[in-house]
Amino acid sequence: SQQGEEDPQALSIQEGENATMNCSYKTSINNLQWYRQNSGRGLVHLILIRSNEREKHSGRLRVTLDTSKKSSSLLITASRAADTASYFCATDAGGNNRLAFGKGNQVVVIP
Amino acid sequence: DTGVSQDPRHKITKRGQNVTFRCDPISEHNRLYWYRQTLGQGPEFLTYFQNEAQLEKSRLLSDRFSAERPKGSFSTLEIQRTEQGDSAMYLCASSSQGAASGTQYFGPGTRLTVT
Repeated sequence: SQQGEEDPQALSIQEGENATMNCSYKTSINNLQWYRQNSGRGLVHLILIRSNEREKHSGRLRVTLDTSKKSSSLLITASRAADTASYFCATDAGGNNRLAFGKGNQVVVIP
Repeated sequence: DTGVSQDPRHKITKRGQNVTFRCDPISEHNRLYWYRQTLGQGPEFLTYFQNEAQLEKSRLLSDRFSAERPKGSFSTLEIQRTEQGDSAMYLCASSSQGAASGTQYFGPGTRLTVT
């Protein structure tokens, strides 16, 4: 079963604005990862945050993790048209590192 | 390009036929995963290999599905007697085992359409 649940499901913003997505999960995790998927293509890994970390940055991406609330957020700053994609959070909770994905957020950045 | 390749990229088959997909992971990665993704949903875990050993299978993997990784390198996923409900994107991912592990690198996927 899918553990991650992103909120909101769809987001439409103007280029240059920030986009924020949230993800909640139900069980203890080893780490939480965010992926991007362009239409009909494979997933591209964006960032991994471990359970003992609270915040992580990578370029224009900022991820936070609150294990007490079992939630994470992904912030994309200064969005670009090329950021238009679906964004998935995935939790790694098992010994085999298999991932449980949410349903994804569709983000449309309008030029 | 993540370094994980999948073949074919698209497959259209008639109900009842068998299909086989191939995944070539990043060469130094000993962990390999198969996921299935239907339209509008996130990927769902199917099965996991560590080297050549299949260590975990999801309940989603019915008896019609079989996966192999014979030499701990490439992997194949076979679906026998395909059904329309098998239509989906089949994704392969690989990762390395170790302290820095966790990140999975996905291939472009094989889109299966069963008519």
